[in-house]
Amino acid sequence: EPEVTQTPSHQVTQMGQEVILRCVPISNHLYFYWYRQILGQKVEFLVSFYNNEISEKSEIFDDQFSVERPDGSNFTLKIRSTKLEDSAMYFCASSGDEQFFGPGTRLTVL
Amino acid sequence: QKEVEQNSGPLSVPEGAIASLNCTYSDRGSQSFFWYRQYSGKSPELIMFIYSNGDKEDGRFTAQLNKASQYVSLLIRDSQPSDSATYLCAVPRESFNKFYFGSGTKLNVKP
Repeated sequence: EPEVTQTPSHQVTQMGQEVILRCVPISNHLYFYWYRQILGQKVEFLVSFYNNEISEKSEIFDDQFSVERPDGSNFTLKIRSTKLEDSAMYFCASSGDEQFFGPGTRLTVL
Repeated sequence: QKEVEQNSGPLSVPEGAIASLNCTYSDRGSQSFFWYRQYSGKSPELIMFIYSNGDKEDGRFTAQLNKASQYVSLLIRDSQPSDSATYLCAVPRESFNKFYFGSGTKLNVKP
């Protein structure tokens, strides 16, 4: 059964450093998403990507964040200068008729 | 007003009972509704989705949609301790550009 994959599973970084989180969506899906979940809080939408461009983004997704689809399979989220409050689980998802989530990357900013 | 609202719980039910989880949404134009299960420390796992008014059954799960009242519910029959998790209701905008998630209802199934 096809699934969304994410790497790494856990990323530790120093405040101010850049991180890139990687995702491989399900191959025949057209919409790709990034979500964030701070420990104990709700799943928060960050951005959606369709037809090789951002289709919608939340107020959380400021200039520190960017997304790319560098090739036909990968979908990345870059955080340019990480802050302590960026520590969270980051989930990638993709959808056709249904939206499926990847296992997540736990980002810890020290 | 929040886009999607759920009672945070916890909802406690004995093993074998029916668990009933509810969700209300604010956008009357919403067309589809998704239920996810999330175990602690894990990603949301899709249980089922519903488009049409009425009931949709999948195994022990039944989703119920009432568009006039703007609520969607999830029934879990014969609840098992392994069903103990947080259940998330999600409502996409048209064309799936954005999904709004509720804060989730924590379910505890007691053996």
